[in-house]
Amino acid sequence: DGGITQSPKYLFRKEGQNVTLSCEQNLNHDAMYWYRQDPGQGLRLIYYSQIVNDFQKGDIAEGYSVSREKKESFPLTVTSAQKNPTAFYLCASSGGKEKLFFGSGTQLSVL
Amino acid sequence: QKEVEQDPGPLSVPEGAIVSLNCTYSNSAFQYFMWYRQYSRKGPELLMYTYSSGNKEDGRFTAQVDKSSKYISLFIRDSQPSDSATYLCPNTGNQFYFGTGTSLTVIP
Repeated sequence: DGGITQSPKYLFRKEGQNVTLSCEQNLNHDAMYWYRQDPGQGLRLIYYSQIVNDFQKGDIAEGYSVSREKKESFPLTVTSAQKNPTAFYLCASSGGKEKLFFGSGTQLSVL
Repeated sequence: QKEVEQDPGPLSVPEGAIVSLNCTYSNSAFQYFMWYRQYSRKGPELLMYTYSSGNKEDGRFTAQVDKSSKYISLFIRDSQPSDSATYLCPNTGNQFYFGTGTSLTVIP
């Protein structure tokens, strides 16, 4: 089945620790996105990438980093600089300027 | 970046009611329009997609676009408890910005 796979489903971070959220797609999409969602809030864009080896900051990139070494993969690292990381993280991909497809999300919590 | 404004809700209706969800957009360059549905703690799923003015129907759902007024609507007929979710209408530029959406609860 084609789609977007996020892992893990749940993740816990200790203070001062970096953690990496995985996002893989087999839809052959060029563009990939990371969003953060807080309870009762909308989706806020963290980073996006429109092509391999290139990515741009979204509205809330501070404390996060990404890489795009392969077309199918767009991992997100939540660094220790992100002081309020608890949120639901969503990865998405698009084959063009239309039809964004989402993964099932990763819930990150702080221990 | 708020090029789309959505009625905030929340909205609570009895089962079987007709639901109307609305968005207005400011960028006349938008050429395609989407509605997403998000259940709690799930990824949003594409519900409706259209690129022209007028109506597009899919089962109980109708998407309506009025480009002259920069207004888009989603109508749900015979609403069901399973329609209880948050509905989102993103802008459709390079970055796909989403608002907070409209939370809908259909009461059995």
